[in-house]
Amino acid sequence: DGGITQSPKYLFRKEGQNVTLSCEQNLNHDAMYWYRQDPGQGLRLIYYSQIVNDFQKGDIAEGYSVSREKKESFPLTVTSAQKNPTAFYLCASSIGGGDYGYTFGSGTRLTVV
Amino acid sequence: EDQVTQSPEALRLQEGESSSLNCSYTVSGLRGLFWYRQDPGKGPEFLFTLYSAGEEKEKERLKATLTKKESFLHITAPKPEDSATYLCAGAGGYQKVTFGIGTKLQVIP
Repeated sequence: DGGITQSPKYLFRKEGQNVTLSCEQNLNHDAMYWYRQDPGQGLRLIYYSQIVNDFQKGDIAEGYSVSREKKESFPLTVTSAQKNPTAFYLCASSIGGGDYGYTFGSGTRLTVV
Repeated sequence: EDQVTQSPEALRLQEGESSSLNCSYTVSGLRGLFWYRQDPGKGPEFLFTLYSAGEEKEKERLKATLTKKESFLHITAPKPEDSATYLCAGAGGYQKVTFGIGTKLQVIP
């Protein structure tokens, strides 16, 4: 079945550490996205990518980095510069510009220890 | 700035008790209004896209409607398995989607 796979489901980060969240899709979607979800707030866009080797900052890109070397893969690195990384991270993909809605992965819960 | 506001924040219904969830939006140049269902600890699941005022879409016990300022998600005779958080989102400019905080629905047997 086609879908988006995020891993790991749970991730713990020590202070000062960089961690990478994986996102893979087999839907043949061109666009991929990373969102952050916090209690009491709507989903906020971190980065998105329309095509391979190109990506754009979203509303809260500071402290995060991404790459898009393959159409199927869009990993997110949470760097030590991100001061409040504890959150639920969601990867999504869409056809075109997102006007038809997103397909989301199952999420990664990141906790700072 | 685009805004999407959902109400109520939480809703508790008896099984079979129909109700509606509200999504008020101010999204410049609305290209689509989306409804998603999210279960605890999981990613949102796409339900509907509405593109123009007056449009309606149905899926099982759910019906979504759209006006120029609001969208409603009507739940008819809900069952406990309908318990989830329902998210509304509006697509404005290119790659600009604004999400609401969601309505947490609990259906009691």
